[in-house]
Amino acid sequence: AQSVTQLGSHVSVSEGALVLLRCNYSSSVPPYLFWYVQYPNQGLQLLLKYTSAATLVKGINGFEAEFKKSETSFHLTKPSAHMSDAAEYFCAVSDRFSGTYKYIFGTGTRLKVLA
Amino acid sequence: DAGVTQSPTHLIKTRGQQVTLRCSPISGHKSVSWYQQVLGQGPQFIFQYYEKEERGRGNFPDRFSARQFPNYSSELNVNALLLGDSALYLCASTPTERGTGELFFGEGSRLTVL
Repeated sequence: AQSVTQLGSHVSVSEGALVLLRCNYSSSVPPYLFWYVQYPNQGLQLLLKYTSAATLVKGINGFEAEFKKSETSFHLTKPSAHMSDAAEYFCAVSDRFSGTYKYIFGTGTRLKVLA
Repeated sequence: DAGVTQSPTHLIKTRGQQVTLRCSPISGHKSVSWYQQVLGQGPQFIFQYYEKEERGRGNFPDRFSARQFPNYSSELNVNALLLGDSALYLCASTPTERGTGELFFGEGSRLTVL
Protein backbone atom coordinates (compact mmCIF):
# COMPACT_ATOMS: atom_id res chain seq x y z
CA ALA A 1 0.00 0.00 0.00
CA GLN A 2 1.11 3.53 -0.67
CA SER A 3 1.13 6.38 1.82
CA VAL A 4 2.38 9.91 2.21
CA THR A 5 3.47 11.68 5.38
CA GLN A 6 3.78 15.44 5.54
CA LEU A 7 5.73 16.61 8.59
CA GLY A 8 4.35 19.81 10.04
CA SER A 9 0.73 20.73 9.54
CA HIS A 10 1.63 24.41 9.85
CA VAL A 11 4.82 26.15 8.73
CA SER A 12 5.59 29.85 9.14
CA VAL A 13 8.38 31.66 7.32
CA SER A 14 9.33 35.29 6.89
CA GLU A 15 8.96 36.92 3.51
CA GLY A 16 12.20 36.33 1.60
CA ALA A 17 13.18 33.28 3.66
CA LEU A 18 13.65 29.74 2.45
CA VAL A 19 10.53 27.60 2.21
CA LEU A 20 10.94 23.90 3.05
CA LEU A 21 7.90 21.62 3.17
CA ARG A 22 8.58 17.98 3.97
CA CYS A 23 7.08 14.91 2.35
CA ASN A 24 8.00 11.27 2.90
CA TYR A 25 6.36 8.50 0.95
CA SER A 26 5.93 4.77 1.19
CA SER A 27 5.46 2.71 -1.93
CA SER A 28 6.19 -0.89 -2.88
CA VAL A 29 6.56 0.08 -6.55
CA PRO A 30 8.33 3.01 -8.19
CA PRO A 31 6.07 5.96 -7.50
CA TYR A 32 4.91 9.03 -9.25
CA LEU A 33 5.06 11.99 -6.85
CA PHE A 34 3.27 15.32 -6.96
CA TRP A 35 2.98 18.58 -5.08
CA TYR A 36 -0.31 20.48 -5.28
CA VAL A 37 -1.25 23.86 -3.84
CA GLN A 38 -4.69 24.89 -2.62
CA TYR A 39 -5.63 28.52 -2.10
CA PRO A 40 -8.65 29.33 0.08
CA ASN A 41 -11.97 28.30 -1.45
CA GLN A 42 -10.30 26.90 -4.52
CA GLY A 43 -9.46 23.51 -5.95
CA LEU A 44 -5.96 22.07 -6.10
CA GLN A 45 -3.38 23.22 -8.63
CA LEU A 46 -0.33 21.20 -9.67
CA LEU A 47 3.02 22.71 -8.66
CA LEU A 48 5.28 19.97 -9.96
CA LYS A 49 5.54 16.23 -10.54
CA TYR A 50 8.16 13.49 -10.52
CA THR A 51 7.68 10.67 -13.02
CA SER A 52 11.17 9.08 -13.03
CA ALA A 53 13.06 11.49 -15.23
CA ALA A 54 15.33 13.99 -13.47
CA THR A 55 15.35 13.67 -9.68
CA LEU A 56 15.35 17.45 -9.25
CA VAL A 57 12.04 18.74 -10.49
CA LYS A 58 11.28 22.38 -11.13
CA GLY A 59 7.73 23.62 -10.96
CA ILE A 60 5.73 26.78 -11.20
CA ASN A 61 6.16 29.91 -9.08
CA GLY A 62 9.81 29.14 -8.32
CA PHE A 63 9.19 25.90 -6.44
CA GLU A 64 11.28 22.77 -6.84
CA ALA A 65 11.49 19.34 -5.26
CA GLU A 66 14.11 16.61 -5.14
CA PHE A 67 13.28 12.92 -5.28
CA LYS A 68 15.55 10.99 -2.90
CA LYS A 69 14.91 7.27 -3.13
CA SER A 70 17.29 6.39 -0.29
CA GLU A 71 15.38 8.70 2.05
CA THR A 72 11.94 8.06 0.48
CA SER A 73 11.51 11.82 0.45
CA PHE A 74 10.20 14.45 -1.93
CA HIS A 75 10.59 17.75 -0.08
CA LEU A 76 9.35 20.99 -1.62
CA THR A 77 11.55 24.09 -1.53
CA LYS A 78 11.56 27.69 -2.66
CA PRO A 79 14.57 29.97 -2.09
CA SER A 80 12.59 33.09 -1.22
CA ALA A 81 9.04 33.16 0.09
CA HIS A 82 6.50 35.66 -1.19
CA MET A 83 3.31 36.70 0.56
CA SER A 84 1.38 35.14 -2.31
CA ASP A 85 2.79 31.70 -1.40
CA ALA A 86 0.54 31.52 1.65
CA ALA A 87 -1.67 28.50 0.98
CA GLU A 88 -2.04 24.82 1.80
CA TYR A 89 0.32 22.39 0.13
CA PHE A 90 -0.34 18.71 -0.49
CA CYS A 91 2.09 15.98 -1.42
CA ALA A 92 0.63 13.03 -3.35
CA VAL A 93 1.82 9.64 -4.54
CA SER A 94 0.53 7.47 -7.35
CA ASP A 95 1.16 3.87 -8.30
CA ARG A 96 2.54 4.08 -11.82
CA PHE A 97 1.25 0.60 -12.60
CA SER A 98 -2.31 1.07 -11.37
CA GLY A 99 -3.53 2.73 -14.51
CA THR A 100 -5.83 4.98 -12.55
CA TYR A 101 -5.84 8.43 -11.04
CA LYS A 102 -6.10 7.04 -7.51
CA TYR A 103 -3.68 9.48 -5.97
CA ILE A 104 -2.88 9.23 -2.26
CA PHE A 105 -2.64 12.68 -0.72
CA GLY A 106 -0.96 13.71 2.50
CA THR A 107 -2.78 15.66 5.18
CA GLY A 108 -1.37 18.95 3.96
CA THR A 109 0.90 21.70 5.26
CA ARG A 110 -0.47 25.19 5.70
CA LEU A 111 2.20 27.76 4.85
CA LYS A 112 2.05 31.16 6.48
CA VAL A 113 4.31 33.95 5.20
CA LEU A 114 5.11 36.71 7.66
CA ALA A 115 5.80 40.25 6.51
CA ASP B 1 -11.07 27.61 -22.23
CA ALA B 2 -13.22 26.84 -19.25
CA GLY B 3 -11.75 24.76 -16.48
CA VAL B 4 -13.51 22.04 -14.54
CA THR B 5 -16.87 23.31 -13.33
CA GLN B 6 -18.81 21.89 -10.42
CA SER B 7 -22.29 22.54 -9.12
CA PRO B 8 -23.65 23.38 -6.69
CA THR B 9 -20.81 25.21 -4.94
CA HIS B 10 -22.42 24.96 -1.51
CA LEU B 11 -25.30 22.94 -0.17
CA ILE B 12 -26.79 21.95 3.15
CA LYS B 13 -28.59 18.66 3.73
CA THR B 14 -29.90 16.78 6.73
CA ARG B 15 -29.01 13.28 7.83
CA GLY B 16 -30.66 10.57 5.76
CA GLN B 17 -31.16 12.73 2.70
CA GLN B 18 -29.62 12.15 -0.71
CA VAL B 19 -27.42 14.51 -2.71
CA THR B 20 -26.27 14.75 -6.32
CA LEU B 21 -23.17 16.68 -7.27
CA ARG B 22 -22.32 17.57 -10.85
CA CYS B 23 -19.09 18.04 -12.74
CA SER B 24 -18.22 19.21 -16.24
CA PRO B 25 -14.66 18.38 -17.30
CA ILE B 26 -12.33 20.47 -19.37
CA SER B 27 -13.21 20.23 -23.04
CA GLY B 28 -11.45 17.24 -24.57
CA HIS B 29 -10.89 15.48 -21.25
CA LYS B 30 -12.46 12.03 -21.15
CA SER B 31 -11.65 10.99 -17.59
CA VAL B 32 -13.26 12.32 -14.43
CA SER B 33 -12.20 11.53 -10.88
CA TRP B 34 -13.97 12.38 -7.63
CA TYR B 35 -12.25 13.14 -4.34
CA GLN B 36 -13.58 13.87 -0.85
CA GLN B 37 -11.71 16.41 1.26
CA VAL B 38 -12.73 16.50 4.90
CA LEU B 39 -11.74 19.65 6.78
CA GLY B 40 -8.10 19.46 7.80
CA GLN B 41 -7.35 16.43 5.65
CA GLY B 42 -6.03 15.77 2.19
CA PRO B 43 -8.33 14.67 -0.63
CA GLN B 44 -9.38 11.02 -0.66
CA PHE B 45 -10.08 9.17 -3.90
CA ILE B 46 -13.68 8.09 -4.41
CA PHE B 47 -14.08 7.17 -8.09
CA GLN B 48 -12.53 7.47 -11.52
CA TYR B 49 -14.56 7.21 -14.72
CA TYR B 50 -13.27 7.00 -18.25
CA GLU B 51 -15.43 6.73 -21.33
CA LYS B 52 -18.47 6.16 -19.10
CA GLU B 53 -16.93 3.16 -17.37
CA GLU B 54 -15.71 2.96 -13.77
CA ARG B 55 -11.94 2.60 -13.75
CA GLY B 56 -11.24 2.87 -10.07
CA ARG B 57 -13.02 2.99 -6.74
CA GLY B 58 -11.74 4.09 -3.37
CA ASN B 59 -12.62 2.78 0.06
CA PHE B 60 -16.08 4.29 0.34
CA PRO B 61 -19.39 2.61 1.19
CA ASP B 62 -21.98 1.69 -1.40
CA ARG B 63 -23.94 4.79 -0.44
CA PHE B 64 -21.57 6.56 -2.82
CA SER B 65 -22.15 6.09 -6.53
CA ALA B 66 -21.28 7.94 -9.70
CA ARG B 67 -21.77 7.90 -13.40
CA GLN B 68 -20.39 9.53 -16.49
CA PHE B 69 -22.43 10.72 -19.42
CA PRO B 70 -21.68 10.61 -23.17
CA ASN B 71 -20.53 14.24 -23.04
CA TYR B 72 -18.03 13.16 -20.30
CA SER B 73 -19.75 15.14 -17.57
CA SER B 74 -20.27 13.25 -14.34
CA GLU B 75 -22.52 13.02 -11.30
CA LEU B 76 -21.67 11.85 -7.80
CA ASN B 77 -24.56 10.59 -5.70
CA VAL B 78 -24.51 10.04 -1.98
CA ASN B 79 -27.48 8.34 -0.30
CA ALA B 80 -28.50 8.21 3.34
CA LEU B 81 -26.25 11.09 4.30
CA LEU B 82 -24.30 10.95 7.55
CA LEU B 83 -22.77 13.80 9.49
CA GLY B 84 -19.35 12.45 8.48
CA ASP B 85 -20.14 13.05 4.81
CA SER B 86 -19.71 16.77 5.38
CA ALA B 87 -16.76 17.69 3.18
CA LEU B 88 -15.53 19.43 0.07
CA TYR B 89 -16.15 17.19 -2.91
CA LEU B 90 -13.65 17.76 -5.67
CA CYS B 91 -13.94 16.73 -9.27
CA ALA B 92 -10.86 16.45 -11.44
CA SER B 93 -10.53 15.77 -15.14
CA THR B 94 -7.71 14.41 -17.26
CA PRO B 95 -7.36 13.85 -20.98
CA THR B 96 -6.38 10.21 -20.65
CA GLU B 97 -7.25 7.17 -18.62
CA ARG B 98 -3.90 6.28 -17.16
CA GLY B 99 -2.71 8.04 -14.02
CA THR B 100 0.59 9.54 -15.03
CA GLY B 101 -0.16 13.18 -15.24
CA GLU B 102 -1.80 16.21 -13.78
CA LEU B 103 -5.25 16.16 -12.25
CA PHE B 104 -7.13 19.33 -13.18
CA PHE B 105 -9.38 20.15 -10.24
CA GLY B 106 -12.55 22.15 -10.01
CA GLU B 107 -13.25 24.42 -7.05
CA GLY B 108 -15.42 21.82 -5.40
CA SER B 109 -18.88 21.41 -3.92
CA ARG B 110 -18.99 22.02 -0.19
CA LEU B 111 -21.54 19.75 1.46
CA THR B 112 -22.72 20.32 4.99
CA VAL B 113 -24.82 17.61 6.63
CA LEU B 114 -26.81 18.66 9.69
